[in-house]
Amino acid sequence: EAGVVQSPRYKIIEKKQPVAFWCNPISGHNTLYWYLQNLGQGPELLIRYENEEAVDDSQLPKDRFSAERLKGVDSTLKIQPAELGDSAVYLCASSLGGGKAEAFFGQGTRLTVV
Amino acid sequence: GEDVEQSLFLSVREGDSSVINCTYTDSSSTYLYWYKQEPGAGLQLLTYIFSNMDMKQDQRLTVLLNKKDKHLSLRIADTQTGDSAIYFCATRRDTGRRALTFGSGTRLQVQP
Repeated sequence: EAGVVQSPRYKIIEKKQPVAFWCNPISGHNTLYWYLQNLGQGPELLIRYENEEAVDDSQLPKDRFSAERLKGVDSTLKIQPAELGDSAVYLCASSLGGGKAEAFFGQGTRLTVV
Repeated sequence: GEDVEQSLFLSVREGDSSVINCTYTDSSSTYLYWYKQEPGAGLQLLTYIFSNMDMKQDQRLTVLLNKKDKHLSLRIADTQTGDSAIYFCATRRDTGRRALTFGSGTRLQVQP
């Protein structure tokens, strides 16, 4: 069974440019998370989806970040415009939902803003 | 708010046991997790424990939970060089905000 798939693995952009990350969760997983991991830190939640509904986006900087999960399957996270401080690893995770405990992570996208 | 604390670094010799510790503040945590992260990789789920348990064993891994003190530990028996990585403790509620809250990670270095 395929795990959580993210693309691209690496992205280098100039500041003020837009960037988008894509995530395909494990088949059948209703819950999808986007996390931000700064160097030397643990992941921090940006947004959580239950199916296509964003149920927790309180940590998402909505002035420049947006996310969507239109059909309740794969998801896109966008930053526009990117700032130097956005350089980090963006992790996607999924779980079955319904209170199931296991959450599985993708390999992440390492963003460098120059 | 919710907080998860871990020590930064642990060094052990190959073949010894490793014990990685974690404390948390959210008394409503239902699930407590250990993840492993190798360089340049995502997080690999190692094991998790329900808050109504005090121990869980899975091959070389033993998780101990002291709910009263809000203390979680991960013991790795017969530690191998391949166990060198960063280990993250995380907690999650079963109601309300169900996202995982992570510590900053403990870097485990295994010396041959």
